[in-house]
Amino acid sequence: DGGITQSPKYLFRKEGQNVTLSCEQNLNHDAMYWYRQDPGQGLRLIYYSQIVNDFQKGDIAEGYSVSREKKESFPLTVTSAQKNPTAFYLCASSMIPFEGAGSSYNSPLHFGNGTRLTVT
Amino acid sequence: KNEVEQSPQNLTAQEGEFITINCSYSVGISALHWLQQHPGGGIVSLFMLSSGKKKHGRLIATINIQEKHSSLHITASHPRDSAVYICAVRIRETSGSRLTFGEGTQLTVNP
Repeated sequence: DGGITQSPKYLFRKEGQNVTLSCEQNLNHDAMYWYRQDPGQGLRLIYYSQIVNDFQKGDIAEGYSVSREKKESFPLTVTSAQKNPTAFYLCASSMIPFEGAGSSYNSPLHFGNGTRLTVT
Repeated sequence: KNEVEQSPQNLTAQEGEFITINCSYSVGISALHWLQQHPGGGIVSLFMLSSGKKKHGRLIATINIQEKHSSLHITASHPRDSAVYICAVRIRETSGSRLTFGEGTQLTVNP
């Protein structure tokens, strides 16, 4: 079955360390996204990519970095510059972009199962 | 004030009850999504609406564009419906569009 795989499910890191969250999709989708979820708040967009080798900052990109070297993969690095990195991180993909220029309202949303990052 | 407001924040029901979750938004939108987040964290898309009503099994979603309001109904609720239900709206901007998410409604259905 096609889908989005995020790994690991739980991740623990010490403050000051960079950490990379994996997101892989086999849906042949062009667009991929990273969201952050905190208790009592709606999902917030970190970064998105509409095509390979291109990505755009979302609403809360500071302290994060991404790469999109392959269509299937969109890893997120949480750097030591991110002041409050402990959160639940969700990766999503869509056939047609639903963020930014050229986005379409009729793109279904596909999400992974998330990675819970705890930094102490 | 958030652009998307959901109510209630928490909802507890007995198995078999009819459930309604509401979503109100304050800006013009081109589409609205209802999502279900399982206890493990994964999110599944339930509906995408731009007008009218959609039904899938025991789930019904309606939207009133003039009143800027949408409802998600669950008929004959079951404990397996326990999850967080999230409303997201697509807002058109000059540079494209963006999704804005509500905070979610935690639904617990007791046997």
